[in-house]
Amino acid sequence: DSGVTQTPKHLITATGQRVTLRCSPRSGDLSVYWYQQSLDQGLQFLIQYYNGEERAKGNILERFSAQQFPDLHSELNLSSLELGDSALYFCASSVDPGQGTGNTIYFGEGSWLTVV
Amino acid sequence: ILNVEQSPQSLHVQEGDSTNFTCSFPSSNFYALHWYRWETAKSPEALFVMTLNGDEKKKGRISATLNTKEGYSYLYIKGSQPEDSATYLCAVSGRSQGNLIFGKGTKLSVKP
Repeated sequence: DSGVTQTPKHLITATGQRVTLRCSPRSGDLSVYWYQQSLDQGLQFLIQYYNGEERAKGNILERFSAQQFPDLHSELNLSSLELGDSALYFCASSVDPGQGTGNTIYFGEGSWLTVV
Repeated sequence: ILNVEQSPQSLHVQEGDSTNFTCSFPSSNFYALHWYRWETAKSPEALFVMTLNGDEKKKGRISATLNTKEGYSYLYIKGSQPEDSATYLCAVSGRSQGNLIFGKGTKLSVKP
């Protein structure tokens, strides 16, 4: 058990809909990262928050947004869903912002999103 | 932008075989290399984090080395067991960004 909790584990929704994925980081971790794992793709970095503020942005679509709350949990909002958004979405956490450090980044089990 | 390559894509070995995988990355802006073990329906499990050229780390039958000058890392598994079957992911973080850039992984299957 990595200590990173993601909900829901599985989600099926229709095209055009909006969903919210939730992540609770490990106790004491201030950084939260979101990654997308699509078929035949490696883990793609979406966005990082550190202590409530956006820290880095990757290949995140404009239809997607995220935030980190004062209690450090994070939510990834996916809207106007398309079939191609079907993927496994991972949340990860670390104690620090990550730049120039060698600390471990811990992953949750992921949320499987299927868009039909 | 870091581009991380892993080889081979997949590997099938017999129980008891020793095996190794490669992770290649551009050495500019490199700071740390991470190895993960990922079984389907589970969270990727952190194996090693290495930062220094020449670093070697070991965890049971699994070990890893790092060459930052030429931009590669090797992961070795000695005496593979069926429970070692998983996808092994390599990821790199840079000096200017903390997020990990992942390779596509090496899928290992160990037959009893």
